[in-house]
Amino acid sequence: EPEVTQTPSHQVTQMGQEVILRCVPISNHLYFYWYRQILGQKVEFLVSFYNNEISEKSEIFDDQFSVERPDGSNFTLKIRSTKLEDSAMYFCASRRDRGPPAPFFGPGTRLTVL
Amino acid sequence: QKEVEQNSGPLSVPEGAIASLNCTYSDRGSQSFFWYRQYSGKSPELIMSIYSNGDKEDGRFTAQLNKASQYVSLLIRDSQPSDSATYLCAVISFNKFYFGSGTKLNVKP
Repeated sequence: EPEVTQTPSHQVTQMGQEVILRCVPISNHLYFYWYRQILGQKVEFLVSFYNNEISEKSEIFDDQFSVERPDGSNFTLKIRSTKLEDSAMYFCASRRDRGPPAPFFGPGTRLTVL
Repeated sequence: QKEVEQNSGPLSVPEGAIASLNCTYSDRGSQSFFWYRQYSGKSPELIMSIYSNGDKEDGRFTAQLNKASQYVSLLIRDSQPSDSATYLCAVISFNKFYFGSGTKLNVKP
């Protein structure tokens, strides 16, 4: 069964550094998402991406964040100048253009900012 | 205003009992509603979706939707210890997918 994959599973970085989180969505999916979950808190929407551009973004998704689909398979989230409060689990998700609008989630990348 | 609200729990039920999980939402125009299950340290997993008023059954799971009351619920029949997890209600509102904070369910053997 196809699934969303994410790399790395765990990323440790120093405050102020840039990180890139990588995702490979399910191959026939056209909508892509990034969500964040701080430990013990709710899953928070960051951004949705469709047709090679951002379709929606939350208040959290400020200039520190950017997304990119550099090729036909990868979808990346870049976090510039990381802060301690960026420590969280970051989930990539995708869904098809047609059918149920519920996204399917990848296993997540745990980001730890020291 | 929170888009989706859930009781954080924990909700404890004995094995074999019915677990009832509830959710309310604020956007009266929402049309699509979902329940996800999240085991500790894992990603959310879709278990049910519902779009129209009434009940929708899938195995041991029944989702219930009442748009007039802006209320969604999930019933789990014959609860098993493996059902112990956090259950997330999710709603599409203004083209964004919002999750509630989740209800932690403990099923005791």
